[in-house]
Amino acid sequence: GENVEQHPSTLSVQEGDSAVIKCTYSDSASNYFPWYKQELGKGPQLIIDIRSNVGEKKDQRIAVTLNKTAKHFSLHITETQPEDSAVYFCAASKRSASKIIFGSGTRLSIRP
Amino acid sequence: NAGVTQTPKFHILKIGQSMTLQCTQDMNHNYMYWYRQDPGMGLKLIYYSVGAGITDKGEVPNGYNVSRSTTEDFPLRLELAAPSQTSVYFCASSYSGQGSNSPLHFGNGTRLTVT
Repeated sequence: GENVEQHPSTLSVQEGDSAVIKCTYSDSASNYFPWYKQELGKGPQLIIDIRSNVGEKKDQRIAVTLNKTAKHFSLHITETQPEDSAVYFCAASKRSASKIIFGSGTRLSIRP
Repeated sequence: NAGVTQTPKFHILKIGQSMTLQCTQDMNHNYMYWYRQDPGMGLKLIYYSVGAGITDKGEVPNGYNVSRSTTEDFPLRLELAAPSQTSVYFCASSYSGQGSNSPLHFGNGTRLTVT
């Protein structure tokens, strides 16, 4: 079945530096790739998503890239701030699917 | 809109007891989901529903039951609780299925301990 692998599981970066989280999916029919951010004690919240007809999408300091050939997609956070500390989940789904497949999560810590 | 509301926020259950975790949403979403998140781990799908009266199993359904009598409510029942069910439970909803590129809206979770 569909599988989504996410790396790294933990990431620590200096405030102001960039952070990159990578995911790989197995089903070439996947066409929707959202990213969720989970702050301590809360449920995950959608921060950005990308569809298979787009290679890159930006929203202020965050961006997502998609390589359909390699079945890779990545989250890029620039100029990291303390409030970026959280767990980030990638996910993938395909048309006609009722449910989405999540990656295992990345705990991002921003060092002051 | 309150979004997705889960109750209770915390609960301690004795082994063998039963309880129901409540979830309600006010966004008129058709799809609802129950996930569990073990410490340091990702999200595992327990059950989901594509509309009132329709439910289906996810990855880890054993030991749980659900019902969907209304669009708004999707309770999760634990029968004969076991320590392995100690986890944080998240309810989520979406307007349409994930294949329609519809984002999930999560509640803030129920932290359940079985001792």
